[in-house]
Amino acid sequence: QVQLVESGGGVVQPGRSLRLSCAASGLTFNDYAMYWVRQAPGKGLEWVAVNSNDGSNKYYADAVKGRFTISRDNSKNTLYLQMNSLRAGDTAMYYCVTSYGDWGQGTLVTVSS
Amino acid sequence: QSALTQPASVSGSPGQSITISCTGTSSDVGGYNYVSWYQQHPGKAPKLMIYDVNNRPSGVSNRFSGSKSGNTASLTISGLQAEDEADYYCSSYASSSTLEWVFGGGTKLTVL
Repeated sequence: QVQLVESGGGVVQPGRSLRLSCAASGLTFNDYAMYWVRQAPGKGLEWVAVNSNDGSNKYYADAVKGRFTISRDNSKNTLYLQMNSLRAGDTAMYYCVTSYGDWGQGTLVTVSS
Repeated sequence: QSALTQPASVSGSPGQSITISCTGTSSDVGGYNYVSWYQQHPGKAPKLMIYDVNNRPSGVSNRFSGSKSGNTASLTISGLQAEDEADYYCSSYASSSTLEWVFGGGTKLTVL
């Protein structure tokens, strides 16, 4: 049974930083590309970033490019999202997702002064 | 990249069948056999219902089926049940070389 547990969300002021983590279990972590997907309150799903299975390739949505960094530690079965220069528009539930389509429960990020 | 186009809402009575469409372009839906469908109940995480256009994960009811024609993918739910009432999202690769995903705007299914 695949389990993905996100953490690190919270309330943060505009311009500040936050680091999200996603601990994975029940799968061979380094077999999967890993994604961050977000959902603003009352809105649809939005792809944020992806990291290839070996960590070598990283791609970002235009809305976060240059501000967010995705990374992974395959020895710890953990995915990360470093979020800098946060804006009100980044307020959302952030989900960790495997390339197969398994989702975590999400961690809520609120950017507000 | 632009989001895939889904109807905002669909409805049906218990026992009926409904179909939700997901329209993209030849650069996403039409270009890859990697369309997925997700079900999301209020306050819950999305759940994979269909992957690779027409494959069901273990444990998903065979009342759910997927298909694709050209740039449009479809999710069909037969024998509607009250528990099927939820939001449904499609997704596709936007680029297989960069592994980017693109999502549809979501469809609210109401079981009357």
